[in-house]
Amino acid sequence: EPEVTQTPSHQVTQMGQEVILRCVPISNHLYFYWYRQILGQKVEFLVSFYNNEISEKSEIFDDQFSVERPDGSNFTLKIRSTKLEDSAMYFCASIDPGKSYNSPLHFGNGTRLTVT
Amino acid sequence: AQTVTQSQPEMSVQEAETVTLSCTYDTSESDYYLFWYKQPPSRQMILVIRQEAYKQQNATENRFSVNFQKAAKSFSLKISDSQLGDAAMYFCAYSNYGGSQGNLIFGKGTKLSVKP
Repeated sequence: EPEVTQTPSHQVTQMGQEVILRCVPISNHLYFYWYRQILGQKVEFLVSFYNNEISEKSEIFDDQFSVERPDGSNFTLKIRSTKLEDSAMYFCASIDPGKSYNSPLHFGNGTRLTVT
Repeated sequence: AQTVTQSQPEMSVQEAETVTLSCTYDTSESDYYLFWYKQPPSRQMILVIRQEAYKQQNATENRFSVNFQKAAKSFSLKISDSQLGDAAMYFCAYSNYGGSQGNLIFGKGTKLSVKP
């Protein structure tokens, strides 16, 4: 079964540095999402992306965050200047466009971001 | 705004026994989806079961079933014949019906331990 893949599995960065988290959604999916899970807390929606633009974003997704689909296969989340509180697990997810009204999210395995 | 509440931070069950995880939610919508996701130590978010609010029949998937009480806004998960591999964090989640279906609102999770 096709999977959403995320790289790297773990990234360590220094506070103030830029970081890019990468995701390869399932090939025929057109709706993409980023979620965040701070250690020990619930999973939180960050942003959804469709047709090369953001369709929804949460309050967490401020000007420090951006998303991009640079080449038709990758879907990236960029944090411009990381803060300690950005340390979390970041999950990418996608949905089958043919079944968007009746299809579950397919999640990747996540990237654990540690900001020191 | 919609909310999801899981009142049991931790639960424990004996192998082969049955356990029920609780979830309540709040919404003013009449059509929506409810989900249970499993997150094992591998970190991946795995869909366990899904319920459409307009369906009166409770969803079942093998050993997993739900008790969906729309009027009470309750959505509990029953795991029958528990197995060691069922040990994980379980998240209840809600999404609106339609284009925002990938924008999930999660509860804080219940950590399920399975004793041999």
